[in-house]
Amino acid sequence: EVVLTQSPGTLSLSPGERATLSCRASQSVTSSSLAWYQQKPGQAPRLLIYGASSRATGIPDRISGSGSGTDFTLTISRLEPEDFAVYYCQQYCCAPLTFGGGTKVEIK
Amino acid sequence: QLQLQESGPGLVKPSETLSLTCTVSSGSISGSGSSFYWGWIRQPPGKGLEWIASINYSGTTYYNPSLKSRATISVDTSKNLFSLKLYSVTAADTAVYYCARDVPSGYHDYWGQGTLVTVSS
Repeated sequence: EVVLTQSPGTLSLSPGERATLSCRASQSVTSSSLAWYQQKPGQAPRLLIYGASSRATGIPDRISGSGSGTDFTLTISRLEPEDFAVYYCQQYCCAPLTFGGGTKVEIK
Repeated sequence: QLQLQESGPGLVKPSETLSLTCTVSSGSISGSGSSFYWGWIRQPPGKGLEWIASINYSGTTYYNPSLKSRATISVDTSKNLFSLKLYSVTAADTAVYYCARDVPSGYHDYWGQGTLVTVSS
C-alpha cells in the first residue's frame, strides 16, 4: 500500500503567517490523486483539495495545493484563526485508500 | 445539501459484532447518486484516519485488506442507507466511525458527523 508521511508533525505559527505542509508518498501517486482535509476537534474532516491542486467548493483561495509524483504540499498563504486545525493528506490512486498521519497547525 | 448520519450502538463487547448504519438525506444513493461510492472511515481516539470499505448503489464493494475480512459493507437503496458490520471486535476497534460519500476516483467530499464506538466488556 502507499504510505503517506506528513511533516512536520506540528507547526506553530501566528495568525497572518504562511503555513507550508508536506505530504510524501512511498511510491508515485499517479494522476495527482491526492486530497487534503482539515479537521477541527470534535468534527468530521472537511475536504479542502482534490487532484493535488483543485479547491473544493467554498474553500478560500488562501489555501492551495501543489505537487506531483511523490511530493505534495498544502500552503495556507495567511493563516486566519479558523485555519488552526489538523490537516491530513489522502491518496486515491491505488488501493487501499490511505491517509497520512496528519500535521497539526497550532497557534504560536 | 447532502447529509449523512451514522447510527448504531456506542458500546460493543469484545468478540462481538459492531453494526453501524449511515442514512443519506437530501440526496439519493441511486439515481442522481449512482455515480458515487459510499464509504466508512474510522479514527481511533487521538489518532489518524483509516479507510475501511466503500460500496456503490449496485453493491460493488472495495475493502481495506488490513481488516482481514472482518468487515462487510452493504447498501439498501430502498431506504437510502448503507451499513457496516465489523466482526470479532477488540479494543483496537474503538474509534469514531465516519460514513462519507466517495467521488468515483476515491476522495470523500461529504462526511457524517461521526459516531464513537467503544469496545469494552
